[in-house]
Amino acid sequence: EAGVTQFPSHSVIEKGQTVTLRCDPISGHDNLYWYRRVMGKEIKFLLHFVKESKQDESGMPNNRFLAERTGGTYSTLKVQPAELEDSGVYFCASSLAPQETQYFGPGTRLLVL
Amino acid sequence: KNEVEQSPQNLTAQEGEFITINCSYSVGISALHWLQQHPGGGIVSLFMLSSGKKKHGRLIATINIQEKHSSLHITASHPRDSAVYICAVKRGGSQGNLIFGKGTKLSVKP
Repeated sequence: EAGVTQFPSHSVIEKGQTVTLRCDPISGHDNLYWYRRVMGKEIKFLLHFVKESKQDESGMPNNRFLAERTGGTYSTLKVQPAELEDSGVYFCASSLAPQETQYFGPGTRLLVL
Repeated sequence: KNEVEQSPQNLTAQEGEFITINCSYSVGISALHWLQQHPGGGIVSLFMLSSGKKKHGRLIATINIQEKHSSLHITASHPRDSAVYICAVKRGGSQGNLIFGKGTKLSVKP
């Protein structure tokens, strides 16, 4: 069974540009989470989808970040316009249920110059 | 102060040594996770526990709910155990999002 996949693995963009990150969860996992690790800090929660609905988006830093999960399968996280402080590693995770183990993707390394 | 604190931040050990990584948290939780991240790699869940102890191979995780403390032990450490070990907690009553510690970077020398 395929694990959680993320695309791209790396992205280097200039300040002001737009970037879209994609996460494909494990098939059948209704719960999908986005997390972010900025340099030198701990990983922090961004938001949680249950199927196509946003269950909790309390961790989204500001309105430059837009997450979608149309159809309840893969999810995208768009940053527009990107700022320098958005640089970091963006992880996606999925689980069958909120209380079950979360399986993490390899992350997308974003560098905003 | 972070809600999840790990110690030590960095740890260097010789192959074969017994290793302990500690995690303390300040919030009520429903579960605690130990995760492993290899250099350049993704994150793997090692354990999820809410009480007592769990063992998988050379890895043992314990939790003391009253003291809000968990430990991850590695017996007979090996260079392939070198990784960042991350403690993360699921706040009690939350829908599933995790609160992470900063991680402990372990290096096991041959």
